[in-house]
Amino acid sequence: DVQLTQSPSSLSASVGDRVIITCQAKQDISDYINWFQHKPGRAPNLLIYDASRLETGVPSRFSATGFGTDFTLTINSLQPEDIATYYCQHSDNLLPFTFGGGTKLDIK
Amino acid sequence: EVQLVQSGAEVKKPGESLKISCQGSGYNFTTYWIGWVRQMPGMGLEWMGLVYPHDSDTNYSPSFEGRVTISADKSINTAYLQWSSLKPSDSAMYYCVRRGMAVWGQGTTVIVSS
Repeated sequence: DVQLTQSPSSLSASVGDRVIITCQAKQDISDYINWFQHKPGRAPNLLIYDASRLETGVPSRFSATGFGTDFTLTINSLQPEDIATYYCQHSDNLLPFTFGGGTKLDIK
Repeated sequence: EVQLVQSGAEVKKPGESLKISCQGSGYNFTTYWIGWVRQMPGMGLEWMGLVYPHDSDTNYSPSFEGRVTISADKSINTAYLQWSSLKPSDSAMYYCVRRGMAVWGQGTTVIVSS
């Protein structure tokens, strides 16, 4: 299985801040990474696929980069509605499609 | 509209069996695998496995192999997740998701308690 390590596990930031979440894979997974936003009581929401491609309808303040083993999700100008838990997930043909441990984001 | 609609919440006793469902609509059901994801209370997302509806081939995460059965009935555009003998530790929210990871069911809460 591909193991993904996210950091930090939790994060507090102020409205307007730039937030960076990292995800490290134990093996080279090229650009096969998804990023999700998950709010309580709702299904996860795909933000980014293929490491850096913004899913349709996702605000442009979300962006992501990375290749190989190191990946980052950036939220520019944090908004109150961005409070959620964020997950990375590998998405290539190496099943299972494991998730990172999650990063819980809240507002200071 | 492309959507996945899951069956309703379940409350069961330990040792009972259960089958929850996920019905797809708005697209060709057989051309996209359906995966299942677990979220235990206060915990993160866990990939359980998937089914290819066109031939019912399955793939399981090692953590769930032998503990659950994933299946599909393409004639009614429905995927299933089932347990033969539930444990309290199976209490969780379960989501189905379509290949591409952009279309999710609304989730099914399973509570297992004596």
